[in-house]
Amino acid sequence: DAKTTQPPSMDCAEGRAANLPCNHSTISGNEYVYWYRQIHSQGPQYIIHGLKNNETNEMASLIITEDRKSSTLILPHATLRDTAVYYCIVFNTNAGKSTFGDGTTLTVKP
Amino acid sequence: GAVVSQHPSWVICKSGTSVKIECRSLDFQATTMFWYRQFPKQSLMLMATSNEGSKATYEQGVEKDKFLINHASLTLSTLTVTSAHPEDSSFYICSAGAGGPYEQYFGPGTRLTVT
Repeated sequence: DAKTTQPPSMDCAEGRAANLPCNHSTISGNEYVYWYRQIHSQGPQYIIHGLKNNETNEMASLIITEDRKSSTLILPHATLRDTAVYYCIVFNTNAGKSTFGDGTTLTVKP
Repeated sequence: GAVVSQHPSWVICKSGTSVKIECRSLDFQATTMFWYRQFPKQSLMLMATSNEGSKATYEQGVEKDKFLINHASLTLSTLTVTSAHPEDSSFYICSAGAGGPYEQYFGPGTRLTVT
């Protein structure tokens, strides 16, 4: 399984954009990049996913580099409720499973 | 969106007893469900992959005789922790696959405390 590397923690001011990076240098061609977040003592919440094109939905944008070795999750206007642990994972379609890394703890401050 | 429920949300049991946790996909059929375990301040650790109508596939180091998984229908998977011990106390989370491009929808988790 492709391994992901994320910074352990980040701070962001409320109302500003939060940019969360993720390295996945060993990703293979048929593996998708997924982002989830987990608020304390809850199950992870799906945010967005992509293969090679940039993606946007009502929650966030996902920017994937051309070589697919890294990606950035963008929360355009962070709120206090966005404080959570954000996980970038790579889904292995052959194995049919994904492996969670350590994630980034994002703290949005007033 | 796809909703996954878990029952119970929390349970306290005595050492040596067995506990069953249910995972249900409420508004979609899930051919595959996943079971994770999460210790405090740690990431999710995949325990097993459960496919409807077949035996679960366990990750290395997970005792299949201790963590019994049954995926009897397209909307229900159960995890039974047999002869629970205090070290089994953890947050157990299931997820269900809704199809490709593969998305996992997670349940709210079950907090197990073994005394």
